Amino acid sequence: DAKTTQPTSMDCAEGRAANLPCNHSTISGNEYVYWYRQIHSQGPQYIIHGLKNNETNEMASLIITEDRKSSTLILPHATLRDTAVYYCIVRVGNQGGKLIFGQGTELSVKP
Amino acid sequence: SQTIHQWPATLVQPVGSPLSLECTVEGTSNPNLYWYRQAAGRGLQLLFYSVGIGQISSEVPQNLSASRPQDRQFILSSKKLLLSDSGFYLCAWSRLADEQFFGPGTRLTVL
Repeated sequence: DAKTTQPTSMDCAEGRAANLPCNHSTISGNEYVYWYRQIHSQGPQYIIHGLKNNETNEMASLIITEDRKSSTLILPHATLRDTAVYYCIVRVGNQGGKLIFGQGTELSVKP
Repeated sequence: SQTIHQWPATLVQPVGSPLSLECTVEGTSNPNLYWYRQAAGRGLQLLFYSVGIGQISSEVPQNLSASRPQDRQFILSSKKLLLSDSGFYLCAWSRLADEQFFGPGTRLTVL
């Protein structure tokens, strides 16, 4: 599975959009980009995933560059409850395989 | 709907004592099951995964073991705990495709 690079930490004002970047320059053609988040002392929570098209669900939007070497997770209106560590993971999809977590980005949403 | 349970929620054990953590999944059949560990201030590390009863794959050498005696039951064990076994243990399940769903975790402190 390809390695990802994320900033260690980010701040965001409450009510503003939080844009979390992820670099995955060695991604293969059959690897998906997954995003999870982990609120303190809880298990990780799935957010969204995509292959090459942009995706949107009730939690977030995922923007993947045309060359697929990077992506951005967008939380359109961040709340204090969005404060968490956000993990970007790339892996072969549709196989129920293991996830390899990096260090993630610690997002702090401030009032 | 599917739910995943872990117990106990917290555990304090002396060095050299045995360990048994249990994970059960409800509302699905033949799930893939996973054990992860998260040391303080670090990312998640996959320990074991299972694609069926009695089928266990180990990701890292250690003094832990896993068993899957029933379709929706996954157990993490140790005969003799080490100080380095302290951490947050998370169980997760998935279907063949897409995302993993994590349990609430067990916080283990080895003294």
